[in-house]
Amino acid sequence: SQQGEEDPQALSIQEGENATMNCSYKTSINNLQWYRQNSGRGLVHLILIRSNEREKHSGRLRVTLDTSKKSSSLLITASRAADTASYFCATDPGGFKTIFGAGTRLFVKA
Amino acid sequence: NAGVTQTPKFQVLKTGQSMTLQCAQDMNHNSMYWYRQDPGMGLRLIYYSASEGTTDKGEVPNGYNVSRLNKREFSLRLESAAPSQTSVYFCASSEVGGDTEAFFGQGTRLTVV
Repeated sequence: SQQGEEDPQALSIQEGENATMNCSYKTSINNLQWYRQNSGRGLVHLILIRSNEREKHSGRLRVTLDTSKKSSSLLITASRAADTASYFCATDPGGFKTIFGAGTRLFVKA
Repeated sequence: NAGVTQTPKFQVLKTGQSMTLQCAQDMNHNSMYWYRQDPGMGLRLIYYSASEGTTDKGEVPNGYNVSRLNKREFSLRLESAAPSQTSVYFCASSEVGGDTEAFFGQGTRLTVV
């Protein structure tokens, strides 16, 4: 079963635009993480936000977490062609069984 | 700094054959994981090792076995491969559990015919 579900499943934007991806989950969590996966490669960690945090920034990335709605969003500002990838949210309900969603495929057109 | 190294990168098996996927990390991490990734389903946890000497089942352990050989290495074995095990397999490691970021290998693309 998947805890995190991303929305939309796919997103196509022009270079320079902002991209917003959403993640919803079902049970309480210790933290939520976002990962990026380029085609044919492994996942790369982007950012971790803990359950007692509401917003976190890293470069052009902004992540929000709303534990009352069990949802998170990832905003990529001023997107570039190199941002084309799949983005996954991963939730940690405690312990070692981090659960990944199905991902959002982002395509940034140059 | 290699990070997480998986071998092989590609493999084709016939139904019923066995094979072992190897994984090694050089970051002195305590926890290691095996995931499979199928189209449209994200990553699903097969087995994990919280620390050296321990292994536990994840979400989809049937048909697989694992060995935490030492702190660096965590192998995944398919005893009798089935077409349903056609997938991309990822090994990952983290300092301790899900509270820290995970580092992933490049994946093994396995096809069972």
